[in-house]
Amino acid sequence: GQQVMQIPQYQHVQEGEDFTTYCNSSTTLSNIQWYKQRPGGHPVFLIQLVKSGEVKKQKRLTFQFGEAKKNSSLHITATQTTDVGTYFCAGRNTGGFKTIFGAGTRLFVKA
Amino acid sequence: GAVVSQHPSRVICKSGTSVKIECRSLDFQATTMFWYRQFPKQSLMLMATSNEGSKATYEQGVEKDKFLINHASLTLSTLTVTSAHPEDSSFYICSAEKAISYEQYFGPGTRLTVT
Repeated sequence: GQQVMQIPQYQHVQEGEDFTTYCNSSTTLSNIQWYKQRPGGHPVFLIQLVKSGEVKKQKRLTFQFGEAKKNSSLHITATQTTDVGTYFCAGRNTGGFKTIFGAGTRLFVKA
Repeated sequence: GAVVSQHPSRVICKSGTSVKIECRSLDFQATTMFWYRQFPKQSLMLMATSNEGSKATYEQGVEKDKFLINHASLTLSTLTVTSAHPEDSSFYICSAEKAISYEQYFGPGTRLTVT
């Protein structure tokens, strides 16, 4: 069945450093979504990418969708302590009705 | 963003009893809602997909007779944990899916503790 792999599992950074999490699917995706879950909170929708090679930005966050629509990345420039949390990617396979979540990447930011 | 509420936020029950958790989409209609279980510091485990007006679709390994799901309206889905056991203690989160975009909006979750 469809699998969505996400790496790394954990990332510790110093405030101001950049951070990237990667997401890979075993099958071609129709779209990829990214969510953020703060400690003690619930996942919050960040963005959705649909087109091959698409790049979207939200302030310091840059989201990319691969040309083959099987991988994606989230890059945070100059991390801040408010970026702390777990970032999940979630992929929907083509022709399917299910969105599969990656295992998430926990980001720790040291001030 | 859209708002999804979940009630109760915390519940403690005795082993053998049943617990009902409600999930409501407050400002949009959701044909599809999802129920997840999340263990500490782990990812979201999809339990079932709840479709308004039809039977829920359960993931492999999830007992449908133990986790009863009802999606009676476009804004409400309920999950009932029947004959709860301590191993059912967990964080249960629902999400409501927006049609066309498939964006999911999560409820705040329910912390279930079975003693």
